[in-house]
Amino acid sequence: DAGVIQSPRHEVTEMGQEVTLRCKPISGHDYLFWYRQTMMRGLELLIYFNNNVPIDDSGMPEDRFSAKMPNASFSTLKIQPSEPRDSAVYFCASLTDSTDTQYFGPGTRLTVL
Amino acid sequence: QKEVEQNSGPLSVPEGAIASLNCTYSDRGSQSFFWYRQYSGKSPELIMFIYSNGDKEDGRFTAQLNKASQYVSLLIRDSQPSDSATYLCAAEFGNQFYFGTGTSLTVIP
Repeated sequence: DAGVIQSPRHEVTEMGQEVTLRCKPISGHDYLFWYRQTMMRGLELLIYFNNNVPIDDSGMPEDRFSAKMPNASFSTLKIQPSEPRDSAVYFCASLTDSTDTQYFGPGTRLTVL
Repeated sequence: QKEVEQNSGPLSVPEGAIASLNCTYSDRGSQSFFWYRQYSGKSPELIMFIYSNGDKEDGRFTAQLNKASQYVSLLIRDSQPSDSATYLCAAEFGNQFYFGTGTSLTVIP
């Protein structure tokens, strides 16, 4: 398996622009997680899905953030409008109940100028 | 509030020594615990998981869990320079994973 795939790997944008991050989980994994990592706050869970349904989005910082999972093989995290404080590395991870082990994608490094 | 705390380090050990990484968690409902290694600029990768009290060994790595004390540790024996990384502790509660901020380890040749 190719593992969790994320795109783009790097994104530089200007404040106020819309940013869309993409994730393809490992085939057969029924959980998908979006995390944000910064030096100050470490790895924070933003939202997670089970069987394409959002289960807990309490970690989403504000209404500017939204996430969707239209099918089992694709999820997006959107920031609109973006702000400099959104600069971070965003990771997607997937998991299956049978192993209870999360596998992380390579991450997207977002810089908002 | 479910919290996972780690000694942030940085921790430096000489090559061949034992590195000891510690983690405490706040929620007694947490059942599963994980240690991830993260190299600079890379994503976290799973090293070990532990569910039961006691020790679990995998090669040079030993995870220790004490649920009464809400304490998890990771021992790395015969530390190698390639072990230099940030180590993240995570506790699972209800399919959510709560991560510590990580301990930076440097193994000095």
